[in-house]
Amino acid sequence: DVKVTQSSRYLVKRTGEKVFLECVQDMDHENMFWYRQDPGLGLRLIYFSYDVKMKEKGDIPEGYSVSREKKERFSLILESASTNQTSMYLCASSLPGLGYEQYFGPGTRLTVT
Amino acid sequence: DAKTTQPPSMDCAEGRAANLPCNHSTISGNEYVYWYRQIHSQGPQYIIHGLKNNETNEMASLIITEDRKSSTLILPHATLRDTAVYYCIAFTSGTYKYIFGTGTRLKVLA
Repeated sequence: DVKVTQSSRYLVKRTGEKVFLECVQDMDHENMFWYRQDPGLGLRLIYFSYDVKMKEKGDIPEGYSVSREKKERFSLILESASTNQTSMYLCASSLPGLGYEQYFGPGTRLTVT
Repeated sequence: DAKTTQPPSMDCAEGRAANLPCNHSTISGNEYVYWYRQIHSQGPQYIIHGLKNNETNEMASLIITEDRKSSTLILPHATLRDTAVYYCIAFTSGTYKYIFGTGTRLKVLA
């Protein structure tokens, strides 16, 4: 079974802190994704990566950056956390190309106070 | 990217078939229809996808109309564990981008 793990289920940070959310997948997938999920807005894509050191902006990249130094690991970075970044963050991975489903991790609920 | 519309909520009796509709009237020829579900406090889980033909797997069936403007996800014998939010997504080939809407909250009643 594909497994996507995220470093924390719950995280509380203060405004202005630098926050790292880590995601690891064990199926050698090329594609990895970061989404945030907010009530009434569904899932929105922040960034995705289709290869090591490659990244593309999604729909809402402002305030975030990403890092992919190894194939299995994709990190989401909040350079200076703000209260409007309080959300559920979901990581996913998939094989490259078309018609491949995305496998999601359990999510990290981040609260910025 | 095509936008999908789904009813916000539905109920279904346990053991009965759950039919979840999705409208994607602006879908283009190279856009797949994907279905995911999200059980409370978990990440979304892939269910099924299709392009033109109807599809079936161990979890569900997907019926796509001939004009591809709508589809229906069928859970043949719903159980309490099928209570979840179900997302219908139109996925454009050649991109990596899913556009998730707000989905249908399915409640399976005992």
